[in-house]
Amino acid sequence: DAEITQSPRHKITETGRQVTLACHQTWNHNNMFWYRQDLGHGLRLIHYSYGVQDTNKGEVSDGYSVSRSNTEDLPLTLESAASSQTSVYFCASSAAINTGELFFGEGSRLTVL
Amino acid sequence: KQEVTQIPAALSVPEGENLVLNCSFTDSAIYNLQWFRQDPGKGLTSLLLIQSSQREQTSGRLNASLDKSSGRSTLYIAASQPGDSATYLCAVASGNTPLVFGKGTRLSVIA
Repeated sequence: DAEITQSPRHKITETGRQVTLACHQTWNHNNMFWYRQDLGHGLRLIHYSYGVQDTNKGEVSDGYSVSRSNTEDLPLTLESAASSQTSVYFCASSAAINTGELFFGEGSRLTVL
Repeated sequence: KQEVTQIPAALSVPEGENLVLNCSFTDSAIYNLQWFRQDPGKGLTSLLLIQSSQREQTSGRLNASLDKSSGRSTLYIAASQPGDSATYLCAVASGNTPLVFGKGTRLSVIA
C-alpha cells in the first residue's frame, strides 16, 4: 500500500543545532506539505511544494527550509533550532492542488532544549 | 485570508447519542472542505471530502454537509460509540494556498 512516512518520530536537540526531518511518500503525489501542530494554534503551514524543484513559503516559514529534488521526498530543515520550534511536525501529500484528498504522515515530535 | 473556526472546542456525550460538530469559514469561494480525525499521538486521517459543487457526503455513520453561501459545514455522527473519541478537524481549500485548518473539536464518547 502507498504511504507517507516521517523520520525520526521523536527527536531531542539543543538550541542552535541544525535539524532535518525527513518525509517520504510512495503515492507519487506532486504536492507535499509541512505543517506544525501546537496547542492553541492548531495546524499551521510551514512550507509546501507542487513538484520537483518547486518550493513555497507558508504561514510560519521563518527558520525553516525545504528542498524538492525528487517526487518522493520533502525534507524539512531547521537551520538553527530554537525553543519556539518545539512542536509536532506533520508531512502531508495530495494528488491535486486544490481538489484532492490530503494524506498525512504520523508526525515527528521535536523538542528543542 | 481564509479563517476556519470550529465550535465547540471540546464535547463530551454519552454513548449512543447523535451529535453534530460545526465548522465555519470566512471566505465562501472554496474548492473543497475536508473533515479529518486525529487520535492522540497520531497523524490525521481523512474522513470526508466535499467538493464545492456538492452539498453533502456520507460514509457509514458519518454525514458531512456544506453550505458555501453561509460559510458553514457540519459533521453529523450517528449513534456515537466510545471508539469515535478523537479530535475532529475541518480544513478548507481556497485561493492559491493549501488547506487551512480549524483548531478542532475534541470529542469524548462516554460508555
